[in-house]
Amino acid sequence: GQQLNQSPQSMFIQEGEDVSMNCTSSSIFNTWLWYKQDPGEGPVLLIALYKAGELTSNGRLTAQFGITRKDSFLNISASIPSDVGIYFCAGRDGATNKLIFGTGTLLAVQP
Amino acid sequence: GAGVSQSPSNKVTEKGKDVELRCDPISGHTALYWYRQSLGQGLEFLIYFQGNSAPDKSGLPSDRFSAERTGGSVSTLTIQRTQQEDSAVYLCASSLDIAAEKLFFGSGTQLSVL
Repeated sequence: GQQLNQSPQSMFIQEGEDVSMNCTSSSIFNTWLWYKQDPGEGPVLLIALYKAGELTSNGRLTAQFGITRKDSFLNISASIPSDVGIYFCAGRDGATNKLIFGTGTLLAVQP
Repeated sequence: GAGVSQSPSNKVTEKGKDVELRCDPISGHTALYWYRQSLGQGLEFLIYFQGNSAPDKSGLPSDRFSAERTGGSVSTLTIQRTQQEDSAVYLCASSLDIAAEKLFFGSGTQLSVL
């Protein structure tokens, strides 16, 4: 099925470190979203981006909608153990309205 | 209910058997989605329902997969003649409507085909 490419696939960091991950697509999206999945749960929406170049923050999280509309970035500052999980980007296909999810980035934080 | 409910939470079946996975969306949500999450993979779109419109089935991997949504509420995903490669977590989500960015996911059904 159609998917967005995320990198890195996984990250193992120390508590307090900053984290960056990105998402790229061959198609243009008009909306970019970032979700987090805790172990054993479904994903939960973190941040929504609606305009090319937009930079949005939610606490320690900051996400950007790439100017080309084909990519997005998520940064987490001063990581804590509860940041552990899988982070997914998602884009809405304007033609079909489908929400397409990325391949995910697994984040592990060592106290 | 307060959230999206999926059942069963775990299902172990033998290759060749049929399985039914159930999703109870949040009351009032007109859009309902099914995704599949395989080990080490992202979320693969399967199908979505929006109100009374015809569902978008473009993500269903084969004709062994089907889904229905009765009365605009509960949805059932059926996999016939299961294969080992069908083993995955099947996630259901609902949203106010198809244009809404915030999907509310259930905890998923872990399907294991032996």
